[in-house]
Amino acid sequence: EDQVTQSPEALRLQEGESSSLNCSYTVSGLRGLFWYRQDPGKGPEFLFTLYSAGEEKEKERLKATLTKKESFLHITAPKPEDSATYLCAVQAQNQGGKLIFGQGTELSVKP
Amino acid sequence: NAGVMQNPRHLVRRRGQEARLRCSPMKGHSHVYWYRQLPEEGLKFMVYLQKENIIDESGMPKERFSAEFPKEGPSILRIQQVVRGDSAAYFCASGRSGPNEKLFFGSGTQLSVL
Repeated sequence: EDQVTQSPEALRLQEGESSSLNCSYTVSGLRGLFWYRQDPGKGPEFLFTLYSAGEEKEKERLKATLTKKESFLHITAPKPEDSATYLCAVQAQNQGGKLIFGQGTELSVKP
Repeated sequence: NAGVMQNPRHLVRRRGQEARLRCSPMKGHSHVYWYRQLPEEGLKFMVYLQKENIIDESGMPKERFSAEFPKEGPSILRIQQVVRGDSAAYFCASGRSGPNEKLFFGSGTQLSVL
């Protein structure tokens, strides 16, 4: 069964304190791995798509990497506005566009 | 360039009533997905539709739930005879061409069943 597990469930950082969020996955043929950000009361907002092991993508203070079993979202020198829940999702081969989401990591950045 | 529009934002129903949730995809998008987010749980896939077709409904409960995406108008998620366990946030996402592309999500409909 295709599955996504994110850790930690919650992460509290001081402003400027870099860290990483983990996404472990098992899928019968990975088509793509997606990272989304979700603010309270809102829908997920797309961040990155990664397609193959070794691939990396960056956007401002965020950098996503992918291996054959997991993905990391690195946050460099975070700011309070980076506080949100970060969601990881996988798309499997022969499953259309369906995304399988992890539970998310709730990030809180204190000034 | 409006994003994915969902309405209503909040919907309150009593047990046994019907709930209708609407989703208008982004302009130019013909693929719609519905997800449900229960309290303290992640987003769960429900159904994938293209115009006038249900492509994948493997995540839909077998009874009381149905979805459509007509040729004209929004996609509708319909829940008949709601029960307290249906209380959740329901999100719609749209895409232009299906697999491999990013999905754009609406702000969701929060359904509360009394």
